[in-house]
Amino acid sequence: GNSVTQMEGPVTLSEEAFLTINCTYTATGYPSLFWYVQYPGEGLQLLLKATKADDKGSNKGFEATYRKETTSFHLEKGSVQVSDSAVYFCALSPRFNDYKLSFGAGTTVTVRA
Amino acid sequence: NAGVTQTPKFQVLKTGQSMTLQCAQDMNHNSMYWYRQDPGMGLRLIYYSASEGTTDKGEVPNGYNVSRLNKREFSLRLESAAPSQTSVYFCASSEGGDPYEQYFGPGTRLTVT
Repeated sequence: GNSVTQMEGPVTLSEEAFLTINCTYTATGYPSLFWYVQYPGEGLQLLLKATKADDKGSNKGFEATYRKETTSFHLEKGSVQVSDSAVYFCALSPRFNDYKLSFGAGTTVTVRA
Repeated sequence: NAGVTQTPKFQVLKTGQSMTLQCAQDMNHNSMYWYRQDPGMGLRLIYYSASEGTTDKGEVPNGYNVSRLNKREFSLRLESAAPSQTSVYFCASSEGGDPYEQYFGPGTRLTVT
């Protein structure tokens, strides 16, 4: 079956620090990969996505590269801000059965001023 | 555009009571979903509706029923609430196709005592 494994949190950083959240997946075929972000008290919103191997998704200073050889989609940001404090979810969508997203457990990130 | 709206925002039920969570989207999306979010477990799919007139079980359907009332509305019913159903419930919608993005509502926090 399809599954996503994320690094466990919580993660606490100082402003301007480098952030990495590891994500690995198990899937048949060639899934699409996503990072969703959930700010306090809100629903999830799409942060970035990648649909094929070696694609790089980017948004709001965040990046993630689809690595088929290591089945990974790690999220990175070079300099975090307090406003980046949120829960981050890695997710996948099977390419030919596209109604179901499989989510990781989520990683809580807190950025201190 | 309101996007995806959910009612109510909060609810407290006693064991055995029933209730319906309402969800509506104004983006003319074909597909709609209900998830539950529990600490350390990410989001798990309860039911989904790939298109108007169809519904299918997700990962954790037991204890729930759904109705796709029309293209805009997708409700989730708990017939006899149990403490194990204490959770945050999210509705989402998507256009479908590949790749796709799901748009989430703000959530309903349900407590069953």
